Amino acid sequence: GIQVEQSPPDLILQEGANSTLRCNFSDSVNNLQWFHQNPWGQLINLFYIPSGTKQNGRLSATTVATERYSLLYISSSQTTDSGVYFCAVERDRGSTLGRLYFGRGTQLTVWP
Amino acid sequence: NAGVMQNPRHLVRRRGQEARLRCSPMKGHSHVYWYRQLPEEGLKFMVYLQKENIIDESGMPKERFSAEFPKEGPSILRIQQVVRGDSAAYFCASHIDGYNEQFFGPGTRLTVL
Repeated sequence: GIQVEQSPPDLILQEGANSTLRCNFSDSVNNLQWFHQNPWGQLINLFYIPSGTKQNGRLSATTVATERYSLLYISSSQTTDSGVYFCAVERDRGSTLGRLYFGRGTQLTVWP
Repeated sequence: NAGVMQNPRHLVRRRGQEARLRCSPMKGHSHVYWYRQLPEEGLKFMVYLQKENIIDESGMPKERFSAEFPKEGPSILRIQQVVRGDSAAYFCASHIDGYNEQFFGPGTRLTVL
C-alpha cells in the first residue's frame, strides 16, 4: 500500500488563531483529499487537491506532489472548526483502482 | 442533488445476528466504496464496486462479510454472525465516472452487544 502520515496528531488553539496541518505520503498519487470529521461523525469534503493550491474561505490547501506532501491551512479558527482532519490519497498505479488510504488524522480543538 | 445516503444511521445487533447496511450513491455515480472506522482509528478501505461487479475486495475480511451493488437499488454491505469486534462506523463513498473525488455518506454506526 501507501503510507500516509499526518502531523500533528493533536492541536489545541484559541479562537482566532491560525494553524497548519501536514500530510506526508510515500508514493505517487493521483488523488488527494482533505476531510473534516465533525463531532457528529460526518465526513465533510474540504479539498480535492492532487496538486497545486486551492482556497475556500478561511481554508486553503497546497499539495506538492513531487515532494509528496500536502498542507492544510486554517486561518482565524472558530470553535466550529473543531474535529478531526483527515488526509486521504489514492495511489497512482496507472490504472486506478480508486481506494483511498487515510492518515490517522489531526484532532483539532478550538477554545472560545 | 442529494448526497450519498446511508441507512440505517444506527444499528444495534446481538452477537450472532446479521447486519445489513445500505448505501445509495449520489445520482449519476457508478463507483461505490465501503470503508470502516474502528474506534480511535482512521478509515480503512473494505471494498470497491461498480454496478453488478466487485472491482476490489482486498480490504474485506475473508469470512462473514459480503457486498453487492445490484443493477437496481442500493449497495448492500452484509455482515453475518456479527461479533463485538465488528462494532464500528461504516462509511460508503461514491464518485462519478472519469472524476475520482469521493463523496461520503453520513455512515452507519453498528453496535454489537
